[in-house]
Amino acid sequence: EAEVAQSPRYKITEKSQAVAFWCDPISGHATLYWYRQILGQGPELLVQFQDESVVDDSQLPKDRFSAERLKGVDSTLKIQPAELGDSAMYLCASSGRTSGMKDEQFFGPGTRLTVL
Amino acid sequence: DQQVKQNSPSLSVQEGRISILNCDYTNSMFDYFLWYKKYPAEGPTFLISISSIKDKNEDGRFTVFLNKSAKHLSLHIVPSQPGDSAVYFCAASSRGSQGNLIFGKGTKLSVKP
Repeated sequence: EAEVAQSPRYKITEKSQAVAFWCDPISGHATLYWYRQILGQGPELLVQFQDESVVDDSQLPKDRFSAERLKGVDSTLKIQPAELGDSAMYLCASSGRTSGMKDEQFFGPGTRLTVL
Repeated sequence: DQQVKQNSPSLSVQEGRISILNCDYTNSMFDYFLWYKKYPAEGPTFLISISSIKDKNEDGRFTVFLNKSAKHLSLHIVPSQPGDSAVYFCAASSRGSQGNLIFGKGTKLSVKP
């Protein structure tokens, strides 16, 4: 069964360091999402890609976060510098939806980030 | 301001009985609703969805009911099994959006043998 792959699964870093997370969506899925889930909360969207283009990054803290999906397949989310409040689960999801259609999103296992 | 609310942080049910998880929303533009299940250390897994043109959708032991006038949906699990123990998230998206999902905070379901 096709799955969304994410790495690393766990990351511990010190504040002010740079961290990067990688996501490989389900093959053929044009839409890719990065979410952040703080403990006790639901996932919150950070950025959405349609192929290689960003279609929504309104909730991405652009002073320290960046995301790219250069070839429209896998994606990288970077934080530089990391802050204590960035400790969370970072989830990647993909869907095969096209514009105007509804489709469920399939999530990867997430990367648990701890900032010390 | 939360647009999707799950007011019960936890729910405990006996095996074989019905589990009812509730979700309320405030945005009348939402037209597609989903339920996800999440085990510890895993990503959310899609469970069932419903479009706003329907009031009920059923898939095996899982049924989702939508009451648009009350802006309320519920997930029924019958019969409940210990393997159903997980955190359940309600999510919604709106017409005209890019498919972005707005999630509730989740309800932790415990099914006791």
